[in-house]
Amino acid sequence: AQTVTQSQPEMSVQEAETVTLSCTYDTSESDYYLFWYKQPPSRQMILVIRQEAYKQQNATENRFSVNFQKAAKSFSLKISDSQLGDAAMYFCAYRITGTASKLTFGTGTRLQVTL
Amino acid sequence: DTGVSQDPRHKITKRGQNVTFRCDPISEHNRLYWYRQTLGQGPEFLTYFQNEAQLEKSRLLSDRFSAERPKGSFSTLEIQRTEQGDSAMYLCASSLALGTLGGTAQETQYFGPGTRLLVL
Repeated sequence: AQTVTQSQPEMSVQEAETVTLSCTYDTSESDYYLFWYKQPPSRQMILVIRQEAYKQQNATENRFSVNFQKAAKSFSLKISDSQLGDAAMYFCAYRITGTASKLTFGTGTRLQVTL
Repeated sequence: DTGVSQDPRHKITKRGQNVTFRCDPISEHNRLYWYRQTLGQGPEFLTYFQNEAQLEKSRLLSDRFSAERPKGSFSTLEIQRTEQGDSAMYLCASSLALGTLGGTAQETQYFGPGTRLLVL
């Protein structure tokens, strides 16, 4: 079974600083996708960034970037120039290819952004 | 784009009662997913539909749970004889899948706001 582990239940960052959220996963598959979702308080979950496992280049979306280490099964999220609106739960998720596209989520990291 | 909507947003019920939740996906999306999220956990997959066909069910989905998507549009999730352990947030998501199997990274799942269930 695939598992996703987020070892940081909570993180804090000052506004305008950079923070990195960790995620590791366990799979025997070679082809899969990885995602980071953001869940603001009392609001719905939205996709932040995604990475195809076959791509060596790390994905980037504006202030959000990932460090994908396939051999280490690691997929961290870096948020640069943190803003108050970045405060949320962040979930790492995994999906294999070729079959049902259900997502397997980690337990989440709560990010606080301070002034 | 009106997004994924879910109704009701909150439900309080007594143990043993039946409850039904509704999800309206984004109109052109052919896939619809149900997830359950308990406090301190990430969402866990329950089931999904491609159009009106229910293609996969998790072992989490006991016999008391049933989901339908009769015309390939909205979906309902019913829980019979609710138990306190059913208390959770029930999330619906939809996506547009271009193939019949699997998915690409471009198949983004859009989530609704969830229905929070409390069983007393």
